[in-house]
Order: sequence, then C-alpha cells, then structure tokens
Amino acid sequence: KNQVEQSPQSLIILEGKNCTLQCNYTVSPFSNLRWYKQDTGRGPVSLTIMTFSENTKSNGRYTATLDADTKQSSLHITASQLSDSASYICVVNLSGGSYIPTFGRGTSLIVHP
Amino acid sequence: ETGVTQTPRHLVMGMTNKKSLKCEQHLGHNAMYWYKQSAKKPLELMFVYSLEERVENNSVPSRFSPECPNSSHLFLHLHTLQPEDSALYLCASSQDRAGGPYNEQFFGPGTRLTVL
Repeated sequence: KNQVEQSPQSLIILEGKNCTLQCNYTVSPFSNLRWYKQDTGRGPVSLTIMTFSENTKSNGRYTATLDADTKQSSLHITASQLSDSASYICVVNLSGGSYIPTFGRGTSLIVHP
Repeated sequence: ETGVTQTPRHLVMGMTNKKSLKCEQHLGHNAMYWYKQSAKKPLELMFVYSLEERVENNSVPSRFSPECPNSSHLFLHLHTLQPEDSALYLCASSQDRAGGPYNEQFFGPGTRLTVL
C-alpha cells in the first residue's frame, strides 16, 4: 500500500533555530515529491518539488533533500522565523502520467519568540 | 481577484440542509480539484476535473455532488451530510491533470464546514 509517513507530528522551536522535518514513503513507482507549507486558515503552498534524479533543492531558508534509494526526504528550515509556524505537508506522486498523489499527515511547526 | 478563491469561508449546516461550495480560479488552468482535510488525517483527493469533465471520483459518497460548468468554476453541492463530514474543503487548480513535477497545484483558502 502506498503510504507517506511524516515525523515528528509536531515540533516547537525558538525563533532563530534550525529544524529538520522528515518524510518517509513507500509510494511506487515514484514520480516526484513535493513539500507544501500550510498556514492556519489557508490552503497549502508549494515550497519545493523534487524528481527521482534530484537530491537537494533550496527555496530561500528551506532546503529539501531526497534519497530515492531509501525513500526518504527531509525539509530543513534555517534560522527559523515566527512566520514559519505552519503545517508542512509531504506529497508523493506516482509515475504514469496522471496526478495520483499520496499525502502525509503533516508536521505542525510552532516557532516561539 | 487573483489565484484561487473559495466561498463561503465558513459554513454551518444541519444534516437535512442542502448547500453548495463555490471555487473560482483566475489562473487560466484546465484542471480543478476538490480535497477534504480532516484534523489529524492526510488530505483526501475527492474529485478531479479536466477541461470541465470529471475524470476521477475517489469513492466519495453520493451526498457530495460536484459540478464544473466551465474551466474557471467548480462547485461542490452538499446534501444530507453527516457530522463526520465536518472538515476543511479545499479547492485547487493546475495547468492540466498530469502528475509531472511542473504541474503545480494552486490551492484556495478552503471552506471550513461544520455539520450539526
């Protein structure tokens, strides 16, 4: 069964600190993996998208990694800001042409001043 | 208006009511989607429309009825809902329904639905 597991479920850090969120998946055949940020009361917004051949991609203070062999991805947030408080969702899409996503439950991040 | 908009933002309804959720995209996209987001559960893809034709219905109960009159508008008609249907309903659009990495989905803010 195709699954996406995210950890931790929730995380509290102090402003300015770094953190890393994990995403493990069993989706096969794999096409791509996307990380979304979802602020409270808003829809998800894409942060990064990675294909099989990519192992690192950055978007400002956000850096995603992908190990397609171990089927693991991480999202590293550097020098956290209060505005980083949100839910971070990992989504893996099956290959084959059509949009066939498997979503993780998300990690809830709270950044305290 | 830009992006994807949804109305209403909040809705409270009884189990015998009939209501509709509306989604509008201003991005010129050809595919639109309905998702259900319940607390502590992954996003669930409910319906997929491509060029106004429904291409997927992921085993959604018939009390949810989608309608896509044109490529910019998407509705979700609700009737005889159950309390477990209370959730955030998200609409999204993308250029087409391909699953490739460059076909990014753009989400609306969602409608928070409470069924009493």
